[in-house]
Parts: sequence; structure tokens; C-alpha cells
Amino acid sequence: QQQVKQSPQSLIVQKGGISIINCAYENTAFDYFPWYQQFPGKGPALLIAIRPDVSEKKEGRFTISFNKSAKQFSLHIMDSQPGDSATYFCAASRAGGGNKLTFGTGTQLKVEL
Amino acid sequence: NAGVTQTPKFRVLKTGQSMTLLCAQDMNHEYMYWYRQDPGMGLRLIHYSVGEGTTAKGEVPDGYNVSRLKKQNFLLGLESAAPSQTSVYFCATTRDRGRYEQYFGPGTRLTVT
Repeated sequence: QQQVKQSPQSLIVQKGGISIINCAYENTAFDYFPWYQQFPGKGPALLIAIRPDVSEKKEGRFTISFNKSAKQFSLHIMDSQPGDSATYFCAASRAGGGNKLTFGTGTQLKVEL
Repeated sequence: NAGVTQTPKFRVLKTGQSMTLLCAQDMNHEYMYWYRQDPGMGLRLIHYSVGEGTTAKGEVPDGYNVSRLKKQNFLLGLESAAPSQTSVYFCATTRDRGRYEQYFGPGTRLTVT
């Protein structure tokens, strides 16, 4: 059972455009929602994360929008750059039980010149 | 500080062979995790540990064993490798139960023929 569904699987955006990746979760016990960025041949690295008590969090060009009632959250990359080309994973976790992360299936983003 | 390191980086095994993957961290983190990453499936948790001497099963534990004899090391063993275990394996750590951010190693690419 996939508890975190991510879309799209791949995305091509023009330089300067907005990249949007969506995730939906099922378990209402989740209380931490991070996004990870992974470059080829590297391990994932935390990009930005949000708790369900806020609807939006912004860090530079990266914004998470969170809709608790719909059980959805999304990553927006403003002014997308070729250096943003990577695979992005959403994830969810809940307190206790080893702080395990449940990951989405990933979105491969390519930003073209 | 090396952070999280993984040994080896690449390995080719024949079906039925055994091997051990080593994860080492110098961040004094309590929690450690082993994931496998397969195309289109995101990262799936194999086993994890919440402290020295502890281990627990994740989402896909079958065919793997782990040990955490020392706080800084987390070993993943394959007793009898199968082609279905061809994957990229990542180790990750988290400071403790009060922290959620996971720090990932560079990965081990394993091919089982």
C-alpha cells in the first residue's frame, strides 16, 4: 500500500519557469512532510520541510504548500534553473516508531535553457 | 567530518553469494536506516536502528539482516543474494527521536547476476 503518492513522474520546465510537484498522503498521523533533492550518483539531501500547523513554508525559491483537509502537499520551485535539474522526493513521517520516513516515488525534473 | 560513508561503492555478486554493506557515521547520531532505491519506486526502508544494539524491520526486510554493534556503524547483510536485490542501497542517520531530518550516505550500487 503506497501511503504517499507523488506526481508527476517526470517534468520538463523552461528556465525561469515554475516547477510544481504534488504529493498526497493517507495516514493522518503523519506530522512531518519533507522534500528531498537527489542529484545523479548522490544520496538524497533535505531541501525543505513543513509541519501540518502551517499552510505554507518558503525558503528562497522553494515553497511547500500544505492542505491538511485534502491531505496534499506540493513543492513549488520559482524561477527554475538548470542547476535544479534533479530527482525530487516527497516524504512523510510521524512521531515515534523510529521517525521513519515514507517516501513518494520521485519526480525527475529537467530544466531546459 | 566525513558525515555518512558507505562501503563499498559498487559491487557485483553472483546469485547465492553473500556480502555485507557497511555504513559508518561520525555525527554521533542515534538512529540509522537502510533503504533501497529502485526506478519508479522511490526509497523503501529495509531495516532501521534506534540505538546501539537495537534493530527493527522496515517495509521490505526479507532477504536482509542487520547489526548495530557499535553506535557509529550499521551493517546490512545479504546471506544469499538474488537478482531481485539488484538495487542502489542508501544508509541514513537521524540525531535522535526529537529530530526528523535524515542525512544520507552516497549509496552502494549492487548488481546480482
